[in-house]
Amino acid sequence: DQQVKQNSPSLSVQEGRISILNCDYTNSMFDYFLWYKKYPAEGPTFLISISSIKDKNEDGRFTVFLNKSAKHLSLHIVPSQPGDSAVYFCAASAADYNQGGKLIFGQGTELSVKP
Amino acid sequence: DAGVTQSPTHLIKTRGQQVTLRCSPKSGHDTVSWYQQALGQGPQFIFQYYEEEERQRGNFPDRFSGHQFPNYSSELNVNALLLGDSALYLCASSLGSGLGYNEQFFGPGTRLTVL
Repeated sequence: DQQVKQNSPSLSVQEGRISILNCDYTNSMFDYFLWYKKYPAEGPTFLISISSIKDKNEDGRFTVFLNKSAKHLSLHIVPSQPGDSAVYFCAASAADYNQGGKLIFGQGTELSVKP
Repeated sequence: DAGVTQSPTHLIKTRGQQVTLRCSPKSGHDTVSWYQQALGQGPQFIFQYYEEEERQRGNFPDRFSGHQFPNYSSELNVNALLLGDSALYLCASSLGSGLGYNEQFFGPGTRLTVL
């Protein structure tokens, strides 16, 4: 049962344009969502997060949007830079103590930003 | 300030053998989570240790076990290795409070190959 899904395994974008990475989830208990970025031979690095009480969170070039009714979130990168080329993982967590702290990851989307 | 460290970086074992992976959390963190990342997939939660006890466990068989030491470092043990255990094993540390979400910082991982 894949509770967090990233349906696009790869995305190619021109430098300077917008990158939009999408993520869908099924578990309505999730109340905190995160995006991680991963380079080869490194562990995932936290990028940006959003609580379920918000619908948007912005940090520099990165913005995450949450649509709870559709159980969908997206990460926007504007403008995209070649250094953004990496695998991006969407992850979700639930505040309930029995599940707290456990991250459920999507399969990842490999972003390639071309100069 | 050292981040999360893991050892070894690479490991090759044969089927049926046992393996121990090690993790030192980020300074000040008291909670360690282990994830398995198979090729082309997102990380999957194995278990989490807090106050030297297993607090949560994912859908992994009993062949996977762990331990947390008084200094908060942790070990992941896998017995009776199968070919399907070949993966990148990631350790993440956080400050455990029991409720809500606390940001997890990932180590670079240990690449396990089972032949």
